[in-house]
Amino acid sequence: EVQLVQSGAEVKKPGESLKISCKGSGYSFSNYWIGWVRQMPGKGLEWMGIIYPGDSDTRYSPSFQGQVTISADKSISTAYLQWSSLKASDTAMYYCARQPSYGGNVDYWGQGTLVTVSS
Amino acid sequence: DIQMTQSPSSLSASVGDRVTITCRASQDIRNYLAWFQQKPGKAPKSLIYAASSLQSGVPSKFSGSGSGTDFTLTISSLQPEDFATYYCQQYNSYPRTFGQGTKVEIK
Repeated sequence: EVQLVQSGAEVKKPGESLKISCKGSGYSFSNYWIGWVRQMPGKGLEWMGIIYPGDSDTRYSPSFQGQVTISADKSISTAYLQWSSLKASDTAMYYCARQPSYGGNVDYWGQGTLVTVSS
Repeated sequence: DIQMTQSPSSLSASVGDRVTITCRASQDIRNYLAWFQQKPGKAPKSLIYAASSLQSGVPSKFSGSGSGTDFTLTISSLQPEDFATYYCQQYNSYPRTFGQGTKVEIK
């Protein structure tokens, strides 16, 4: 069974750093792209970027380029989304999602990680 | 970026109703269109890809159609578990973009 299990909720202060994770199981993690999607409170879905764990090829939405870093460690089947300096506006739910090919569609989603940034 | 526009933004319907949601792309996306369902407090769930193909395990009451710039999601007979927000997404090009969502509520 394909599963994407994300790390737990985080509460951080502005300016702090954070790295959240998404662990895949039930399939060959290296051979599928993992994307990240933001959902701000009460709002819609926003595509942030995507990584291919096999060679760490990464693409970002222009809206998120330079604001976050996406990485992966294929040895432990885990993808990451990180911030070096959080802002209150980063408060949101973040989802990872599996994509079978670069040009393909999302098929499986993680359960989400709620990030709250507040002083 | 390709803009995706859904209509309506919300609708009220009764159990058993046939419901149709429309998604329009700002440029030709061929059939590279997916639909997702999101229930309150839950992660999105993939329903349809390639405009009209059902994801594994998705009931046949859901159907999709369209190509180019105009697409529809139809729920043939609305059931209580179908009340949710539905999003379209184009995957013809990067960055991927979503519609703003359509909330399906109980009348």
